[in-house]
Amino acid sequence: GENVEQHPSTLSVQEGDSAVIKCTYSDSASNYFPWYKQELGKGPQLIIDIRSNVGEKKDQRIAVTLNKTAKHFSLHITETQPEDSAVYFCAALLPGKLIFGQGTTLQVKP
Amino acid sequence: EADIYQTPRYLVIGTGKKITLECSQTMGHDKMYWYQQDPGMELHLIHYSYGVNSTEKGDLSSESTVSRIRTEHFPLTLESARPSHTSQYLCASSSGSSYNEQFFGPGTRLTVL
Repeated sequence: GENVEQHPSTLSVQEGDSAVIKCTYSDSASNYFPWYKQELGKGPQLIIDIRSNVGEKKDQRIAVTLNKTAKHFSLHITETQPEDSAVYFCAALLPGKLIFGQGTTLQVKP
Repeated sequence: EADIYQTPRYLVIGTGKKITLECSQTMGHDKMYWYQQDPGMELHLIHYSYGVNSTEKGDLSSESTVSRIRTEHFPLTLESARPSHTSQYLCASSSGSSYNEQFFGPGTRLTVL
C-alpha cells in the first residue's frame, strides 16, 4: 500500500550544525511533498514544500531536495538554532490525501 | 497563523461517555480532515470530507463518526468512549487546489479513564 518512511526518528545536533531528515515514498503518482514542523502542544505547521517538477527548493536556512527516480526527498536545516527543536514530518500527496512519515524529533543543543 | 480552531483543547472523561470534539475553520476550505496522533507521534487519517454532506473513512479504523453539515464545521463524535480512545486528535483543512497544503488546528488531547 501507500506509505512514507522517515529517518531518523530522533536527531540531536549542536547549535550551528546542520540537520538532515530523509523520507522515501512508495507511490510514483505522488507529485507534492510538504514538510511540517510540530512544536509541543501545537498542531503541525507547513514550513516548506516541493512539487515534482523541481529538484530543489530553498527558503533561508531550510532546503528540500527531491529525487523522483529514487522516490526520496530530504529536509536540510543549516545553522540550526534552539528554536528549531521540534518534531518534523514529511508527507507525500496522493489523490485527495496526504500520507505522513513517522516523524523526527530534532533536538538542537545550545 | 491558520484560522482553524479546536475545542476543547484538553478533555478527561470516564468510560462510556459520549463526547464531541469540535473543529471549525474560517478560511472557506472545502476539504477537512481528522487525524489521530499516537504517543509515538505518527499521524493517522481517520476521517475526511470534501465538502458539505461528504464524509469518508480514512486509513485508520476508528469507532468515531463525523458530520459535515456546514462548510466551516467538522465535528467528531465518540458514542461511548473507552480508554483505547485516549489520544491526540488533530483537525485540518485545505482548499480545493490540487496541491493540498493542509492547515492544522492545535489539537484536542483526550484522556478516557
